[in-house]
Amino acid sequence: AQKITQTQPGMFVQEKEAVTLDCTYDTSDQSYGLFWYKQPSSGEMIFLIYQGSYDEQNATEGRYSLNFQKARKSANLVISASQLGDSAMYFCAMREPRGAASKLTFGTGTRLQVTL
Amino acid sequence: DGGITQSPKYLFRKEGQNVTLSCEQNLNHDAMYWYRQDPGQGLRLIYYSQIVNDFQKGDIAEGYSVSREKKESFPLTVTSAQKNPTAFYLCASSRDPGSGGYTFGSGTRLTVV
Repeated sequence: AQKITQTQPGMFVQEKEAVTLDCTYDTSDQSYGLFWYKQPSSGEMIFLIYQGSYDEQNATEGRYSLNFQKARKSANLVISASQLGDSAMYFCAMREPRGAASKLTFGTGTRLQVTL
Repeated sequence: DGGITQSPKYLFRKEGQNVTLSCEQNLNHDAMYWYRQDPGQGLRLIYYSQIVNDFQKGDIAEGYSVSREKKESFPLTVTSAQKNPTAFYLCASSRDPGSGGYTFGSGTRLTVV
């Protein structure tokens, strides 16, 4: 069974600083996908970044980058130049292999608070 | 603009009553999903559907039912058999069941009173 572990229930970061949110995963599949979502207090889930298991380069999307270490089974999210609007819950998720129902398994999340 | 609409945003239910949460998408996506979120926990899969008139149980399907009569609609019924229904419910859809890219609705917060 797939499992996602986020060990940081809460994190603080000063505005304009970088922050790393940790995510480790466990799967026996060779083909999988890793996602990060942001959930503000309003509740919607906002897609941030995606990394495929066969992608050789770490994914980047603007201020977001995914530090993918396949051998260690980690997929940490790095947010550079934090902004006050980054304060939210952040979830790491993993997708089952292609050809399956594409279900996502989520971690328990990390609450990020950006301070002045 | 395409997207997923969940209604209502807030819902109150008396114990012993069934209640139906609406989820509509205009993205022409084949796959749709229902997730439940409790405080301090991630999202857990209730039911999913890859095509019309077909759906499968997720990890926590007991006490819930769904239907998929139209591609655009995937309503979730929380039955009286669900012992602890107070939670935040999120609906999602995906164009390609193998791609894993999801679009989420804004959620329904259900409270049992």
